[in-house]
Amino acid sequence: DVKVTQSSRYLVKRTGEKVFLECVQDMDHENMFWYRQDPGLGLRLIYFSYDVKMKEKGDIPEGYSVSREKKERFSLILESASTNQTSMYLCASTPGGGSHRELFFGEGSRLTVL
Amino acid sequence: AQKVTQAQTEISVVEKEDVTLDCVYETRDTTYYLFWYKQPPSGELVFLIRRNSFDEQNEISGRYSWNFQKSTSSFNFTITASQVVDSAVYFCALRMNRDDKIIFGKGTRLHILP
Repeated sequence: DVKVTQSSRYLVKRTGEKVFLECVQDMDHENMFWYRQDPGLGLRLIYFSYDVKMKEKGDIPEGYSVSREKKERFSLILESASTNQTSMYLCASTPGGGSHRELFFGEGSRLTVL
Repeated sequence: AQKVTQAQTEISVVEKEDVTLDCVYETRDTTYYLFWYKQPPSGELVFLIRRNSFDEQNEISGRYSWNFQKSTSSFNFTITASQVVDSAVYFCALRMNRDDKIIFGKGTRLHILP
């Protein structure tokens, strides 16, 4: 069964801590995405990546960075977590090459910053 | 700029009623793709349908149907004879052909009352 796996379902961190959210997909997809989901705001795109070592800013990249050293892994980094980054984070992947397929989502990582 | 608007924040209907969820999109591209996803209370996003901009044919899948109208930039979703299990948040999404960025509407929370 194909899968997008997010390393942590629930995290609690303190303000100022560095936070890593890991995402791995086993479908050999070129494209990977990080969204955050907040009540009333839907899913907002933080960053996405077309390929290894490639990254593009989404709509709300401030306060975040990403890393894609291997095709199957896309990491979201909060250099210095703040309380307004408390949210549900969703990783997704999709094939590239012009297929324009749907996104395959992970189960989400709920981050609380105290 | 690309945008997806789901004007209905929350809808409640009684079981067995029909319900339509609205989605209006904005894009200057002539080639694009539209999607609907369901997010049940468990939280995982479930893909429902993909439609490309050249295919305006309506689609029916069981109790679900979709009406795509380019003239009004709408891609509406109807559930016929609703059931309690249809209770969820539903998201409409837009993907452009020229890049792989995928943007979502804010979602519509649907309550089906027994």
